[in-house]
Amino acid sequence: AQSVSQHNHHVILSEAASLELGCNYSYGGTVNLFWYVQYPGQHLQLLLKYFSGDPLVKGIKGFEAEFIKSKFSFNLRKPSVQWSDTAEYFCAVKPGSGTYKYIFGTGTRLKVLA
Amino acid sequence: NAGVTQTPKFQVLKTGQSMTLQCAQDMNHNSMYWYRQDPGMGLRLIYYSASEGTTDKGEVPNGYNVSRLNKREFSLRLESAAPSQTSVYFCASSRTATREETQYFGPGTRLLVL
Repeated sequence: AQSVSQHNHHVILSEAASLELGCNYSYGGTVNLFWYVQYPGQHLQLLLKYFSGDPLVKGIKGFEAEFIKSKFSFNLRKPSVQWSDTAEYFCAVKPGSGTYKYIFGTGTRLKVLA
Repeated sequence: NAGVTQTPKFQVLKTGQSMTLQCAQDMNHNSMYWYRQDPGMGLRLIYYSASEGTTDKGEVPNGYNVSRLNKREFSLRLESAAPSQTSVYFCASSRTATREETQYFGPGTRLLVL
C-alpha cells in the first residue's frame, strides 16, 4: 500500500538551530510532493510543493525541501528556526496520474525553545 | 476572500445523535474534500467531490454521508455519531482534482462524541 513516513514524531530545538524533518514515501511512479504546516489552533497551510524540475524547492518562511528520487525522500529543512516555527508539519504525496488523493504522513510536532 | 470556511468550530454530541458539518469555499474551486485528523494518524480522506454533482468515497467513509449542495458548499453528515468519530474534521478545496492542484484547507471542526 502507498504510504508516507515521517520518522520524527516530536522534535525540540533551540532558536537558531538548524532543522531537518524526514519524509519518505512508498510509490515508484510519478509523484507530487507537499509540505504543510499547522500552527497551534490553525488550519493547514501549504509550505512548499514539488511537481517537477529543480529538486530543491524553496517555500515560505525560509523553508526548503529536497526531492531525492532514488531515496523516495522529500526532507524539509530550515537553516535557523525561530520560536514562531513551533507547529506540526505534515508531508503529503499525490501519487499516480490524474489523482486527487493526498496521502499524508503522521506529522512531526516541532517545538522551538526561545 | 475568506477561502474555506467551516461551521461549527466545536461540537459535542452524544452517541447516536446526528449532525451536519458545513463547508463553503469562495475560490470558485471545482473540487472539495472532507478529511479527519486523528493523533498519530495524519489526515485521512473521508469523501471527496471532484466536481459539482459528483461525490466519491475516500479512505474512511463508513458512518458518514456527504452532499455537494452547489459549487461552493460541501456538507458532511454523521447520521448516528459514535465515539470513534471523535476527531478534528477538515474541509479542503482545489481548483480541480488533478494531481498538480494544491488543496486549501479550512480551519477545522473539533467534534467530541460522548
